Amino acid sequence: RKEVEQDPGPFNVPEGATVAFNCTYSNSASQSFFWYRQDCRKEPKLLMSVYSSGNEDGRFTAQLNRASQYISLLIRDSKLSDSATYLCVVNLGTGNQFYFGTGTSLTVIP
Amino acid sequence: NAGVMQNPRHLVRRRGQEARLRCSPMKGHSHVYWYRQLPEEGLKFMVYLQKENIIDESGMPKERFSAEFPKEGPSILRIQQVVRGDSAAYFCASSQGPSYEQYFGPGTRLTVT
Repeated sequence: RKEVEQDPGPFNVPEGATVAFNCTYSNSASQSFFWYRQDCRKEPKLLMSVYSSGNEDGRFTAQLNRASQYISLLIRDSKLSDSATYLCVVNLGTGNQFYFGTGTSLTVIP
Repeated sequence: NAGVMQNPRHLVRRRGQEARLRCSPMKGHSHVYWYRQLPEEGLKFMVYLQKENIIDESGMPKERFSAEFPKEGPSILRIQQVVRGDSAAYFCASSQGPSYEQYFGPGTRLTVT
């Protein structure tokens, strides 16, 4: 079983739509959680850390559900510039590795 | 406020040659990670280093690959006797510590001909 699993998509949504991605992780001892975005052929860029209490940054909201071992990312009022691949990242805490999901592809359509 | 720097951005090597990829972490960061990304695939962890120490190299192929992060200078990922299958994007990331968020460099795209 993979450490981190994401629905690869693609998600194609119209501008202004709300879209949500989920990501599940296998190790209950996981300590740190992040969402990154990666544009085609570019480096991953940190979008936001995910805290136990949930956190919001503008149109983006991240949630952590430890009981069910998943994290989510909600994007409201989608913009064309939100088109990218979104990577779920988990740090197990027992080691030093960050585990990256394979990413969820989002295309926002005019 | 320089971010993570990698060079070269593009590297072409013939089969059997050596490839050297360099990474300078963000100012104030002493933890460096190397990842490989094959076309249409996700990031795969290779190695985690602190200054002068390899902390975790569980993702490194057993042969031909090595990494270092000397006391002075950038971290270097070395691939000896490259083969076509080594063609990929190699990303370096740095952080303040093992559980902190990582910041990525622009990557080095290695092409083996």
